[in-house]
Amino acid sequence: AQKITQTQPGMFVQEKEAVTLDCTYDTSDPSYGLFWYKQPSSGEMIFLIYQGSYDQQNATEGRYSLNFQKARKSANLVISASQLGDSAMYFCAMREGLEGGGYQKVTFGIGTKLQVIP
Amino acid sequence: KAGVTQTPRYLIKTRGQQVTLSCSPISGHRSVSWYQQTPGQGLQFLFEYFSETQRNKGNFPGRFSGRQFSNSRSEMNVSTLELGDSALYLCASSPGLASLSGANVLTFGAGSRLTVL
Repeated sequence: AQKITQTQPGMFVQEKEAVTLDCTYDTSDPSYGLFWYKQPSSGEMIFLIYQGSYDQQNATEGRYSLNFQKARKSANLVISASQLGDSAMYFCAMREGLEGGGYQKVTFGIGTKLQVIP
Repeated sequence: KAGVTQTPRYLIKTRGQQVTLSCSPISGHRSVSWYQQTPGQGLQFLFEYFSETQRNKGNFPGRFSGRQFSNSRSEMNVSTLELGDSALYLCASSPGLASLSGANVLTFGAGSRLTVL
């Protein structure tokens, strides 16, 4: 089974509007972390936001917020006030914990291509 | 603070050759991970090193190998190159803290784009 599922291959959003990028995950581990990365056409992966499984509140970083619904295993990224520079691929990722401490590899979804329209 | 540095940025090889890619992590980071990114497969995990020890390994053939040095710099090697090895190889470093934490975020380099002819 896929650990991370991103069902939107591509999304369009009007400049200055908000957009939600979907991400669902699959784990039986109670301890895990969720990440969102942005990859512009230049290729470099840029970290956006992190949510821990035990965090009580949804993570926020500037215009980025993470809508974390633990029971639904959902970690959607919300970008408010979209800008032209937000056009990029967006990847959801997860790192699970290890029994006894430590953690496993980070697993990525296949990504969503976001295009911001002027 | 210098970021993650990957060299070379671009390279072209022919089938059957071997290639070595280098990654210098952020100063103080002890963990280095490698990923292969292709349009069809997305980001596929290769391996992760911490303090010169391989901590995690992905599902790649033995032609793909890596190592980490005492200064945390890492190299990955691909032997007997195949056309399907053409990809963007991304290296990421993290502090390598013992627990799951937002401070253990992966910071990526710009990647090494390998073309196999």
